[in-house]
Amino acid sequence: GAGVSQSPRYKVAKRGQDVALRCDPISGHVSLFWYQQALGQGPEFLTYFQNEAQLDKSGLPSDRFFAERPEGSVSTLKIQRTQQEDSAVYLCASSPSTGGNQPQHFGDGTRLSIL
Amino acid sequence: GNSVTQMEGPVTLSEEAFLTINCTYTATGYPSLFWYVQYPGEGLQLLLKATKADDKGSNKGFEATYRKETTSFHLEKGSVQVSDSAVYFCALRYTGANSKLTFGKGITLSVRP
Repeated sequence: GAGVSQSPRYKVAKRGQDVALRCDPISGHVSLFWYQQALGQGPEFLTYFQNEAQLDKSGLPSDRFFAERPEGSVSTLKIQRTQQEDSAVYLCASSPSTGGNQPQHFGDGTRLSIL
Repeated sequence: GNSVTQMEGPVTLSEEAFLTINCTYTATGYPSLFWYVQYPGEGLQLLLKATKADDKGSNKGFEATYRKETTSFHLEKGSVQVSDSAVYFCALRYTGANSKLTFGKGITLSVRP
């Protein structure tokens, strides 16, 4: 399919481990967003890329969270030294351009559980 | 800062009942407003949107009107179906390079046959 693809779909890790979550946006989409959705809550913004440039990382909750998009397509969200409060669904969204009227297309998310 | 407030849930209705899900927002300027839906086991999907005051967004029998005077964007449907059972999120977004979405908490709708 041509939608946003995220992997893995589920990830279980022990507290203190590092994890990496992958997002494959729709081909050609310039903008890429990461959101964190805690149980029973709405998604909350983490970070934004325009092509390979990370233009906004104001939503990253701590310096344990790191995101990259080195070639302007695939993006990886990395969480170091995971804590139980990191348990959430991590959503990736992409849109064709930078305009605010462009729709954001969401992936199915990665459900991260920290034991 | 910007925020979106949704009514508390969950909501349970019988099939063919009338649906209203309340949403109010706090924001400066003129954001665009959205309703997203998340069906069981699926990702977030855009349901409808409105980009300026008094605009009405509509899709799949759902409607919502952008009311600037009351800062609201309530979702309505005249006759719900079992297949409408899902989680509904209200959201706002500004135009501009970083057009991130700000979501409400979401509300779970269950429709009984």
